Amino acid sequence: DAGITQSPRHKVTETGTPVTLRCHQTENHRYMYWYRQDPGHGLRLIHYSYGVKDTDKGEVSDGYSVSRSKTEDFLLTLESATSSQTSVYFCAISDHAGQGYYGYTFGSGTRLTVV
Amino acid sequence: AQSVTQLDSQVPVFEEAPVELRCNYSSSVSVYLFWYVQYPNQGLQLLLKYLSGSTLVKGINGFEAEFNKSQTSFHLRKPSVHISDTAEYFCAVSDLSSNTGKLIFGQGTTLQVKP
Repeated sequence: DAGITQSPRHKVTETGTPVTLRCHQTENHRYMYWYRQDPGHGLRLIHYSYGVKDTDKGEVSDGYSVSRSKTEDFLLTLESATSSQTSVYFCAISDHAGQGYYGYTFGSGTRLTVV
Repeated sequence: AQSVTQLDSQVPVFEEAPVELRCNYSSSVSVYLFWYVQYPNQGLQLLLKYLSGSTLVKGINGFEAEFNKSQTSFHLRKPSVHISDTAEYFCAVSDLSSNTGKLIFGQGTTLQVKP
């Protein structure tokens, strides 16, 4: 989507290796989120950020870490990839929370396969 | 804790027929409600949202949804579908008082429009 890009778009990695996915935005939005999408589960929140260096866990955070050293970049790291982390990962951004909230803008996703 | 249930995992329908995709939510506080659409191999796009005011919300591509507080539902409807509406649809909820903007998603409903 315009203003938000994810890299890489596709990745195949081996079990036990670390992997970092990148989300980059040009919208100067405060909030950034990482979700994973799996059949039958919809989208589940992994981690989110509400400002530079401010992050918190979502519902499926085990095995994942994040960092946000500047407004535009939100990195998701799989410390030691496992086959259960094979999934499609989406980054999303939003500007407001609470009053005036308009929801997310999503990136195009990263398809990660762990073999 | 909030949760979202999409009552049908798949909805097959013939072209030009009406369709309803059902969504129920559970929350102890007031909420914002959203519907997103995901076309094959793409990210998610916002279809429509309910923040406040009129309970009938109109979105893009001829879709509309009705917020029913007493039944905690937010069903999506379209009076006449097209082949191009074939996609996966996600209902999502956000806590009105949240300062994080997090969305909780349902499991998704695949709409299959047949000629």
